[in-house]
Amino acid sequence: DSGVTQTPKHLITATGQRVTLRCSPRSGDLSVYWYQQSLDQGLQFLIQYYNGEERAKGNILERFSAQQFPDLHSELNLSSLELGDSALYFCASSVMVNTEAFFGQGTRLTVV
Amino acid sequence: KNEVEQSPQNLTAQEGEFITINCSYSVGISALHWLQQHPGGGIVSLFMLSSGKKKHGRLIATINIQEKHSSLHITASHPRDSAVYICAVRGAQKLVFGQGTRLTINP
Repeated sequence: DSGVTQTPKHLITATGQRVTLRCSPRSGDLSVYWYQQSLDQGLQFLIQYYNGEERAKGNILERFSAQQFPDLHSELNLSSLELGDSALYFCASSVMVNTEAFFGQGTRLTVV
Repeated sequence: KNEVEQSPQNLTAQEGEFITINCSYSVGISALHWLQQHPGGGIVSLFMLSSGKKKHGRLIATINIQEKHSSLHITASHPRDSAVYICAVRGAQKLVFGQGTRLTINP
């Protein structure tokens, strides 16, 4: 158990819908990262937050947004969902920006 | 060309064999990570390296910054080592991942 909690574990939704994925970092970790893993793209970095502020942005679509709340948990919002958004979404956390990151178990999103 | 290249993509070996997985990268990095992803999907961080060598149990990771190359070795491999091993490099604030090496250890 990495100490990073992601909910839900599985999510099935229809095209055009909006979903919210939640991540609770390890106790004491200030940095949260979101990653997407699809079959054809492998793991891709989406976005990073540090202590509530956005620190880095990767290949995140405009239909996706994220935030980190004062209690340091983070949410990834995916809207206008398309079939191609079906993937595993991982959250990871670390103490500081460039220290070792620990991964949650992932949320498997299926868009039908 | 991908920024992070792993080889081989797939590797099948017999229990007890010495395993080597390679990772080459083309960008400047502050650290390199080795991750393990089991069939259930969960990802475990194995090592974070910025120089030299690290060892944890039967796993050894090395990095050569000048050659932009890292290796992950598994000694006395076991079927429970079967997983996808992913190399990731930390550039400017983000991780860039290799495509992974699927390792299968047969009993």
